[in-house]
Amino acid sequence: DTAVSQTPKYLVTQMGNDKSIKCEQNLGHDTMYWYKQDSKKFLKIMFSYNNKELIINETVPNRFSPKSPDKAHLNLHINSLELGDSAVYFCASSPRPPGLAGGDTQYFGPGTRLTVL
Amino acid sequence: AQSVAQPEDQVNVAEGNPLTVKCTYSVSGNPYLFWYVQYPNRGLQFLLKYITGDNLVKGSYGFEAEFNKSQTSFHLKKPSALVSDSALYFCAVRPDSSYKLIFGSGTRLLVRP
Repeated sequence: DTAVSQTPKYLVTQMGNDKSIKCEQNLGHDTMYWYKQDSKKFLKIMFSYNNKELIINETVPNRFSPKSPDKAHLNLHINSLELGDSAVYFCASSPRPPGLAGGDTQYFGPGTRLTVL
Repeated sequence: AQSVAQPEDQVNVAEGNPLTVKCTYSVSGNPYLFWYVQYPNRGLQFLLKYITGDNLVKGSYGFEAEFNKSQTSFHLKKPSALVSDSALYFCAVRPDSSYKLIFGSGTRLLVRP
């Protein structure tokens, strides 16, 4: 019954590796997001897709690439991992994009804690 | 620059006492304001939002927040705190010209029994 799920929950890897984090929502929402929460709990938007179309693309290293195979899934692939990528990555969804009816309430997944050694 | 400030890293209150968690914002245009709560090792949960209308907004778990345009504030309040309210609280703003939600740095609320 999990609304927004992420896998894996924990990810420990070496510098230079490539890894992916997966997100799925079973809420029937059109819009999905990726956020990064650093060690000081500061939370920042990275990407957002609406119906598989990119609508938010913040200034992040191009080693980060989102992929949305369908509107229920938004995956995050990270190439050449660096120490500074260590953080908790949260996926979220909303019924529609912000500004449209219901679009301003986001539902967050449990997070993926990425540790780069 | 568009931003949200939560001036207190931590707020300590005794159970049964009223609590306030402060938030001020700086955006151009009309702000849409939000509060989210994060329990340990969990994702954020929506508490309440101000879009338009009545300045006093009521949300989940007995929380409320008041939009004050002149002071550019959106403080979170609860008349009587519970130990289970202990968590990390985030204020967020979305400028009406953007899709992006901008979060504050978070305030840890600790309610003592």
